[in-house]
Amino acid sequence: ETGVTQTPRHLVMGMTNKKSLKCEQHLGHNAMYWYKQSAKKPLELMFVYNFKEQTENNSVPSRFSPECPNSSHLFLHLHTLQPEDSALYLCASSQERGQMNTEAFFGQGTRLTVV
Amino acid sequence: AQSVTQLGSHVSVSEGALVLLRCNYSSSVPPYLFWYVQYPNQGLQLLLKYTTGATLVKGINGFEAEFKKSETSFHLTKPSAHMSDAAEYFCAVSESDSSASKIIFGSGTRLSIRP
Repeated sequence: ETGVTQTPRHLVMGMTNKKSLKCEQHLGHNAMYWYKQSAKKPLELMFVYNFKEQTENNSVPSRFSPECPNSSHLFLHLHTLQPEDSALYLCASSQERGQMNTEAFFGQGTRLTVV
Repeated sequence: AQSVTQLGSHVSVSEGALVLLRCNYSSSVPPYLFWYVQYPNQGLQLLLKYTTGATLVKGINGFEAEFKKSETSFHLTKPSAHMSDAAEYFCAVSESDSSASKIIFGSGTRLSIRP
């Protein structure tokens, strides 16, 4: 148990569906991240929020829409996804974005399958 | 920009044998280095980290890593492998730019343990 909780753990959705992934942490961290982990590919950083403000978007398609209402919660809204978007989506948090020596704490991930 | 290279996408050792997972980094500034472990269908968990000070870092589950600046390496070792060590291992470096820092991950090494 890392203190970062993701729901749901598994999600199957059609290409026309709209769904949301949720991430929650009560570690007092101020930075939160979304990563995409696909088979046989390096971990891809998607979005970064620092003190509820989005500070990084790594050229992620607009069919992925993040939301950070407060420092403890992070959402990833999904719509009109493609089969190649099937992956494990990992949420992480850390003390503060600007601190180089602080590690990230990861949730268990949401296994997303787009059919 | 900093980067991380993990040599060998798959390593297999016998139970009780030495585990050696290789990681090389490139960085123009003193790096902060991490090793994470990921068990099947789980998120990433921090094994150990190097920030400053002692170059031999001890982590959880009997793992340790040595920072060698001259070789730009941060290899992960464990004297005696256990079946429960089978997992994916990620080396990471903390990168900082003008705005903030982020963690860059290697492509991962899958460790298999033979009975």
